[in-house]
Amino acid sequence: AQTVTQSQPEMSVQEAETVTLSCTYDTSESDYYLFWYKQPPSRQMILVIRQEAYKQQNATENRFSVNFQKAAKSFSLKISDSQLGDAAMYFCAYRSAYAGGTSYGKLTFGQGTILTVHP
Amino acid sequence: SAVISQKPSRDICQRGTSLTIQCQVDSQVTMMFWYRQQPGQSLTLIATANQGSEATYESGFVIDKFPISRPNLTFSTLTVSNMSPEDSSIYLCSATGQADQETQYFGPGTRLLVL
Repeated sequence: AQTVTQSQPEMSVQEAETVTLSCTYDTSESDYYLFWYKQPPSRQMILVIRQEAYKQQNATENRFSVNFQKAAKSFSLKISDSQLGDAAMYFCAYRSAYAGGTSYGKLTFGQGTILTVHP
Repeated sequence: SAVISQKPSRDICQRGTSLTIQCQVDSQVTMMFWYRQQPGQSLTLIATANQGSEATYESGFVIDKFPISRPNLTFSTLTVSNMSPEDSSIYLCSATGQADQETQYFGPGTRLLVL
């Protein structure tokens, strides 16, 4: 079974600064997807960014980028030019890419990291 | 991306009663899922809602406690049966679209408090 670990229960950053959230995972599979989701106090889960394991290039979405290290099974999220609206709980998640397996389609989440943004 | 709505958004219930949560997607989707998120915790998958057949439950969750229906490609319900205070959680519905089957999109969640 796959596991996802977020070792930082809480992080804080000053507005306009950069912060990196850590995520490691354990899997025996070679093909999978990784995601970062954001959950603000409204509790709506919002997709931040997605990475396909077969792609060597790190995904980017505006101020959000990842550092995907497949061999190390590491998937960190960097938020540049932090804004007050970035304050939320961030979850790292893993999804198998193997169709037909018992885990197909299911997301395995990390414990979450609460990000506070100071003005 | 699919837009997902849930009803009710929150409820307060008495122990021993049941509550049915509805999940509606604005377009046809392939897979639908139900998650539970206890206060301050991560998300735990309850089951995969299968269209026209019985849901597939994860370890620790049973059909008698969490009956699920999915009569078509855009709608599903989760019932929390014979509730106890331990069932107080946020319940979230998610789905993967037909165009993008790799990414799950989530509804806004239903906050349940059982007294």
